[in-house]
Amino acid sequence: KAGVTQTPRYLIKTRGQQVTLSCSPISGHRSVSWYQQTPGQGLQFLFEYFSETQRNKGNFPGRFSGRQFSNSRSEMNVSTLELGDSALYLCASSPGLGTDTQYFGPGTRLTVL
Amino acid sequence: GENVEQHPSTLSVQEGDSAVIKCTYSDSASNYFPWYKQELGKGPQLIIDIRSNVGEKKDQRIAVTLNKTAKHFSLHITETQPEDSAVYFCAAQEGSYIPTFGRGTSLIVHP
Repeated sequence: KAGVTQTPRYLIKTRGQQVTLSCSPISGHRSVSWYQQTPGQGLQFLFEYFSETQRNKGNFPGRFSGRQFSNSRSEMNVSTLELGDSALYLCASSPGLGTDTQYFGPGTRLTVL
Repeated sequence: GENVEQHPSTLSVQEGDSAVIKCTYSDSASNYFPWYKQELGKGPQLIIDIRSNVGEKKDQRIAVTLNKTAKHFSLHITETQPEDSAVYFCAAQEGSYIPTFGRGTSLIVHP
């Protein structure tokens, strides 16, 4: 099976812009989670989607949002970008509710100038 | 909520030596403990995991031990090789809830 794929792999944006990141989970996986990874804060949970519904949300401002489509693909959006949003954004998928192991994609490296 | 402490933050060993990374967790409800390896430019990859009904699990050169009473678990890598150099993350999780990750250990294996 193909792994989790994320597009684009690299992005450079300027402050105030918005960005949309995409994630395609492993075939058959219905749960998608998003994480922000920075050297200072480590892996921080953003949100989790299952069957197009947000199931959990981390402690991030409302500028961070996401959605999941009927084919389980997911997007996350960050509006009004700030310098501190520069990070590696990771998507992870798992088969679904009641399952635990998460499988990560390669990430999208976002740089905000 | 859950809190996971991971030590050391950096570990430097010679090729062929063993490496041990330790994690402690706070929530006794956690029952699933995965370990991830992240190489430069890549996402974390699951290398081994253990559930709370098991005390030890081994997969070739990698082993994980769990002490539920003390709330700590450890990753053991034997006969380290340069390709083991990476950042390793532990995590603690209750069932299908969101995992809490440790801050990571940068393992450097010198040839």
